Amino acid sequence: EAQVTQNPRYLITVTGKKLTVTCSQNMNHEYMSWYRQDPGLGLRQIYYSMNVEVTDKGDVPEGYKVSRKEKRNFPLILESPSPNQTSLYFCASSLFLAGGLETQYFGPGTRLLVL
Amino acid sequence: GQQVMQIPQYQHVQEGEDFTTYCNSSTTLSNIQWYKQRPGGHPVFLIQLVKSGEVKKQKRLTFQFGEAKKNSSLHITATQTTDVGTYFCAGGYILTGGGNKLTFGTGTQLKVEL
Repeated sequence: EAQVTQNPRYLITVTGKKLTVTCSQNMNHEYMSWYRQDPGLGLRQIYYSMNVEVTDKGDVPEGYKVSRKEKRNFPLILESPSPNQTSLYFCASSLFLAGGLETQYFGPGTRLLVL
Repeated sequence: GQQVMQIPQYQHVQEGEDFTTYCNSSTTLSNIQWYKQRPGGHPVFLIQLVKSGEVKKQKRLTFQFGEAKKNSSLHITATQTTDVGTYFCAGGYILTGGGNKLTFGTGTQLKVEL
C-alpha cells in the first residue's frame, strides 16, 4: 500500500531537548516536504527536498533542520525545541515533473507539544 | 514571496445548500491543487488544475482556474454532512532554476448542519 509514515504520532517534550521526527515513503517519490499546521495559519512549508542530498528552505525554516540521505526518508530535526514550535507537523511526498509537482501524499501527522 | 489568500475562513451551511471557497494568488501560478482535510485527519489531494480557464468536475464538486492563473474556486452543490472538513488550495510556482514550490492557502472550514 502506497503510504507516508511518520513517527512518533504524538510527542511531549521540554524546551531544549533535541528531537527527531521521522518520515518515510514507499512510493519512490523524489520530492518530500515538511509542513507545520497552526490554527488560522493553514499549512506552512518548513523545508523541502527535490531529491537525495538536495534540500531547501520553505517559508518557516528557523529552528529546524532536515537531511535527505536516502530517497525514502526525510527526517525533521529540532535541535533545541522551543514552545513556539508546538504544532501539528505533516510530512508529504510527491513525484516531481518538469511542469510541477504531482499529487502530494501526506503522512498522518505528528502532534508536538513543547513545554 | 508568494502568497495565497483563501476566503472565507469559515462557512456554516444547512445540508443541501451550496458552498464556495475562493483562492487568490499575488503572482501567476503554474498550477493549483485542492485538498480536503477531515477533522483530526491529514490533507487529502482532490484535484490539480493546470490550464488557464480550466474547469473540472468531481460529482458535486466543481473546480475552476482563472484565465489569468491567479485565482481559483471550489464549488460544492447541495452539501452533505460528508463534506464537512477544511478545504485548502495550494498554488504551484515554478522557481528560478527549475524547482517547484507549493504555497497553501489558509483553508476554509466547512460545517454542515442537518
